[in-house]
Formats: sequence, C-alpha cells, structure tokens
Amino acid sequence: GDSVTQMEGPVTLSEEAFLTINCTYTATGYPSLFWYVQYPGEGLQLLLKATKADDKGSNKGFEATYRKETTSFHLEKGSVQVSDSAVYFCARSTSYNTDKLIFGTGTRLQVFP
Amino acid sequence: EPEVTQTPSHQVTQMGQEVILRCVPISNHLYFYWYRQILGQKVEFLVSFYNNEISEKSEIFDDQFSVERPDGSNFTLKIRSTKLEDSAMYFCASPTANYGYTFGSGTRLTVV
Repeated sequence: GDSVTQMEGPVTLSEEAFLTINCTYTATGYPSLFWYVQYPGEGLQLLLKATKADDKGSNKGFEATYRKETTSFHLEKGSVQVSDSAVYFCARSTSYNTDKLIFGTGTRLQVFP
Repeated sequence: EPEVTQTPSHQVTQMGQEVILRCVPISNHLYFYWYRQILGQKVEFLVSFYNNEISEKSEIFDDQFSVERPDGSNFTLKIRSTKLEDSAMYFCASPTANYGYTFGSGTRLTVV
C-alpha cells in the first residue's frame, strides 16, 4: 500500500550546518508531497509542498524537490538555526486535494549553538 | 490564514469513560479529517468526513470511535469507552487550496 519512509533521527547538527532529511514514497498514483514541522508542544505546520514531478517546494530556507525517478522528496536547508529544532514529517497524498495524508515516522532535528 | 480550532487542548479521563473532542474547521469546507499521534510516533489517519458522512476510515477507527457534525460548524470525535492506548494527540484537519492541509493545534488526551 501507500507509504512514506523517512530517515530515522535524531539528526544532531551545529548551527549553520547543512541539513538533509531523506524521504521516499511509494510510487502509486500521482501524489502530492509535503513536509510538515512540529515544534515542541505544538501542532503540525505545513512547511512546504510540491504537487507534481520536478516541482520544488520552498519556505523559510528549506527546500525539497519532487523526484519521480527516485520517488524521493528530500528536505534540505543550507544553514540551520537553533530555532529549526523540531520534528519534521514527510507526507504524501494523491492527485485529489480531499484525500487523506500518509505520514512518515518523523525525524527529530536538534540544532546546537 | 484560515485556522482550525480544537478544544480542549488537554483532557485527562479515566479508562472506560467517554470523551468528546471538538474541532471547528475552516468554514465552508465539506471535507474534514481526524488524525492521531501517539507520543513519539508517527501521525496516523483516523477518519475522513465529507458532507456529513464518513468517507473513509482506518482500521484504528473501530466501533469505539464516532464522528459527528452536530450543528453545521463544529466537528466532533467521540471515543465511547476510552482505553489506556487511546492516549495520544488528536488532530483535526481541513484541506486548503492548492493541495495543502491546515491542522489544528491538537488535543492531548491522557487516559489514566
């Protein structure tokens, strides 16, 4: 069935380091892809999204490119900050904006000064 | 930006008791979702609700769970007889334009 696989955490980085969090998805249908972020004690916030192959989603310095050939949607940021410490969830949907989301297990990012 | 509002933010209940979690989704939306996140685990789909009917439910959503739209704006998730393993964060979500979803801030349910 449909699934999303994320790299396990925690990912521990120093401030200003480069971040990559890997995400792959099952290639059924034509999913939209998302990254959500959950800060400590808070709910889920949409970080970025891409709706078709080769689209790049970006927000707050984070980027992810929808790669159909590798069924991947890796999250990257060139220079992380302490305030980026959170749990990041990769998720997929299908072509229809009313469909459910399927989430990965989440990756905890810890950034130290 | 449109918001999804959930109440209460935290509820503690005794095992076997009924709980009702409330959500006010983005207005004029017909689709609503409930998701669950057990502490430290991934977010799991529970149920989707379209035009006053369940459109899809997961295997988690057994007979102990029900959803209603009692007054046209509020959207509730009821757990009839809570179990310890129902302790989790419960999120309500509305789809938004361009394939996005807006989540509420969640209700933390603790069953003791």
